[in-house]
Amino acid sequence: DAGVTQSPTHLIKTRGQQVTLRCSPKSGHDTVSWYQQALGQGPQFIFQYYEEEERQRGNFPDRFSGHQFPNYSSELNVNALLLGDSALYLCASSQPLRTDTQYFGPGTRLTVL
Amino acid sequence: GESVGLHLPTLSVQEGDNSIINCAYSNSASDYFIWYKQESGKGPQFIIDIRSNMDKRQGQRVTVLLNKTVKHLSLQIAATQPGDSAVYFCAENWGNEKLTFGTGTRLTIIP
Repeated sequence: DAGVTQSPTHLIKTRGQQVTLRCSPKSGHDTVSWYQQALGQGPQFIFQYYEEEERQRGNFPDRFSGHQFPNYSSELNVNALLLGDSALYLCASSQPLRTDTQYFGPGTRLTVL
Repeated sequence: GESVGLHLPTLSVQEGDNSIINCAYSNSASDYFIWYKQESGKGPQFIIDIRSNMDKRQGQRVTVLLNKTVKHLSLQIAATQPGDSAVYFCAENWGNEKLTFGTGTRLTIIP
């Protein structure tokens, strides 16, 4: 049973560029949450997707957007990248009606130069 | 705002000894707590969870204790092994949607 997968593993971009990160949830899971983890910090909630809709959003600007597809996979898009966007981006998935228990993928390490 | 915090940022324990990692939370409405382990270069790995209607829960070599009176939870790891070296996060959930994480405690097992 495959766990949560994310791609790419690493990514280097320059300021002002746009980036798309991808996530496939664990089998049987229908809800996907995205988190940003700066170096030495705990993950910070960005937003959560369920039934292809953004259900809840953390304190992140509109430059951060997402999408969920019918197969429950999800994308995180970040526009107009800033140096401060450099972080590990984590995707977590959860079962139907059990969104409190979230299982994380390995993350995508984004470096903005 | 509400936050989850940790008492100690680092902890070193001799291999075979027990370790205790502490966490304080401030949101009295939180009803679900999770401990995660994060190894270098990896995503957080679920270890054990506890709901607010419980004060203790045991897993394999791990025990989580919840003290709602002082808004404190702890993770006890018995007979630590080198593979237990990692950063440990407590996270709280309320509203059944997002998790709020603390900064983390780095646990180092000394051979």
